[in-house]
Amino acid sequence: AQSVTQPDIHITVSEGASLELRCNYSYGATPYLFWYVQSPGQGLQLLLKYFSGDTLVQGIKGFEAEFKRSQSSFNLRKPSVHWSDAAEYFCAVGATGGSYIPTFGRGTSLIVHP
Amino acid sequence: DVKVTQSSRYLVKRTGEKVFLECVQDMDHENMFWYRQDPGLGLRLIYFSYDVKMKEKGDIPEGYSVSREKKERFSLILESASTNQTSMYLCASTSGGAGTDTQYFGPGTRLTVL
Repeated sequence: AQSVTQPDIHITVSEGASLELRCNYSYGATPYLFWYVQSPGQGLQLLLKYFSGDTLVQGIKGFEAEFKRSQSSFNLRKPSVHWSDAAEYFCAVGATGGSYIPTFGRGTSLIVHP
Repeated sequence: DVKVTQSSRYLVKRTGEKVFLECVQDMDHENMFWYRQDPGLGLRLIYFSYDVKMKEKGDIPEGYSVSREKKERFSLILESASTNQTSMYLCASTSGGAGTDTQYFGPGTRLTVL
């Protein structure tokens, strides 16, 4: 079975600073990997996803993530954070082969200081 | 623009009441899901449905049931609400394999059971 670990419960950054949110997964084959964002009072929205090809994936809102098989990681990055990026971020791992259900991490709450 | 709607944003019920949470998607998706979101625990799957009248238990189905009579509608039922079911409930849908495709989420229903 697949699993996802987001080691940081909270991350605090200053506006304009760079950001990296960590995600480690466990899965025996090539995973499908997702990052979702949840703004306050909202549902989740897909930021980006990876399943093959270039290991550096570009997403919406200026985010990118890099798949590193050797480290079982899929970290989310943004070069310059805006106050509107304050939200909860979830990493998820999916599977092929008939599995219907992705597994979500527990989330990282991003706080942005002005 | 794709859309998943949930019948209520906020709901307050009393212990022992029967509670219905409704979810509707307009994307003709086969798969629909109900998650429960609690601080520090991330998203936990309650039930999912991969077709009309078909359902599968997720990780925490106890105390819940579901109904899917039409493709676009997926209902979560709390037969006898209890205080430990106070939570945020998120509905999602996806086409094809949920383990590989983007999930589209509703805005959530925050349920308080007194």
